[in-house]
This record gives sequence, structure tokens and C-alpha cells, in this order.
Amino acid sequence: DAGVTQSPTHLIKTRGQQVTLRCSPISGHKSVSWYQQVLGQGPQFIFQYYEKEERGRGNFPDRFSARQFPNYSSELNVNALLLGDSALYLCASSWAGVAGYNEQFFGPGTRLTVL
Amino acid sequence: AQKVTQAQTEISVVEKEDVTLDCVYETRDTTYYLFWYKQPPSGELVFLIRRNSFDEQNEISGRYSWNFQKSTSSFNFTITASQVVDSAVYFCALSEGYAGNMLTFGGGTRLMVKP
Repeated sequence: DAGVTQSPTHLIKTRGQQVTLRCSPISGHKSVSWYQQVLGQGPQFIFQYYEKEERGRGNFPDRFSARQFPNYSSELNVNALLLGDSALYLCASSWAGVAGYNEQFFGPGTRLTVL
Repeated sequence: AQKVTQAQTEISVVEKEDVTLDCVYETRDTTYYLFWYKQPPSGELVFLIRRNSFDEQNEISGRYSWNFQKSTSSFNFTITASQVVDSAVYFCALSEGYAGNMLTFGGGTRLMVKP
């Protein structure tokens, strides 16, 4: 079975631009989460979606937004890019965002560089 | 607020040595899950183990073992007879309430296994 897929793999943008990152979860998984990993640090939670509804939001500015589609894929949008947004953006999927043994499985990430 | 601390930022061992990676967590919830993930140079987070707060049994999987102690809020990870392929960054993570909830990661421990 295919794992979590993310596109693009790498992206270079300039300050002030906007970017859209995409994620397709593992087949059958209904929950998608986004994490930002700055070089040398652990991943930081950005958003979680389940059945197209936002279930959680981390401590990120409103420049960050996301959505989940009927097929459970997801997009993460970042507006007005800053140099500090340069990071590896990880998408994770899990079967459901409810109680149970639903560990999150991660995709390969999108490496965003802001110049 | 939940927090995960991995005090060892970098560990270097020679192949076949045993190595223990420390993880200390903080949470006010009585129901929580603890995880270990491995991040090789490719960047993808690989799930290793999940433990819930009600199960303090230690676990062994091949060369890997985990020691969960609620009394000290620790969830340590030991690799026996380390191999070069074990070289990676290892993250400990915590989710409160249920396993599919947002993950709080530690800062990671970079393990280098030299031949």
C-alpha cells in the first residue's frame, strides 16, 4: 500500500510570496495533520483535520491555513512568506482522530526555502 | 501544557555498543500516548513504537527496547549492539487524550554509529 505522499518535494520561494503544499493520506485514513520542522529542531504541530473539519491548530500565525478535501487529501497554504518559514513541512495521516490506536504516519515532507 | 525533553542532542558510539536515548515528558492528562520516531537523512519520520499511559510494560523488538516509567515521567529507548544503519535522529513524542491527537515532539537526539 502507498504511504503518505507529499508534493512538491522541494520548493524555493521569495519573501512575500504565497505557497501551497499538498498531501495525500494513506488509503483509508481520514485524519491529516501538518507539522513544521525547522532545521535542527523537532516538528511543531500546525493543523489537524478530520472529515474536512479542523480539529486542532498550533501556535502559528493566520498566514498559515489549510483545508481537507472530500477524498481526505489536504493542502497547506502559507501567505506572505518570511525567511523564518524555511523548513521541512511534514504531513501525517491516521485512521481517525478519535480514541484508539491511531498513530500518525508521516510523509517524506516538502522542503521549503524562502529567499 | 505538554512538553517533551530529550536532553541528549548528540550521541556517538562505535558499532556493537549499546546506547540509550533518554526522554522525559510533562503532561497533566491521565490518558496520554508516547511515541518514538526515527528520522534518517532522507527526512521521513518512521514510526517505531507507541505506548499508552496505562501500560507500563517494557517492550522489546529485536535490538530495540523501551523502558516506560510513570514515576519518573520517562520513556527511554535502548538500542542493543548498535549498527551503522541506526544512525539517524530519534524523536520522542507525546499526545494527550488519544493516540491520533496532535503530537508534541522533543528536540531530538542525533545518533551517530561509527564502524
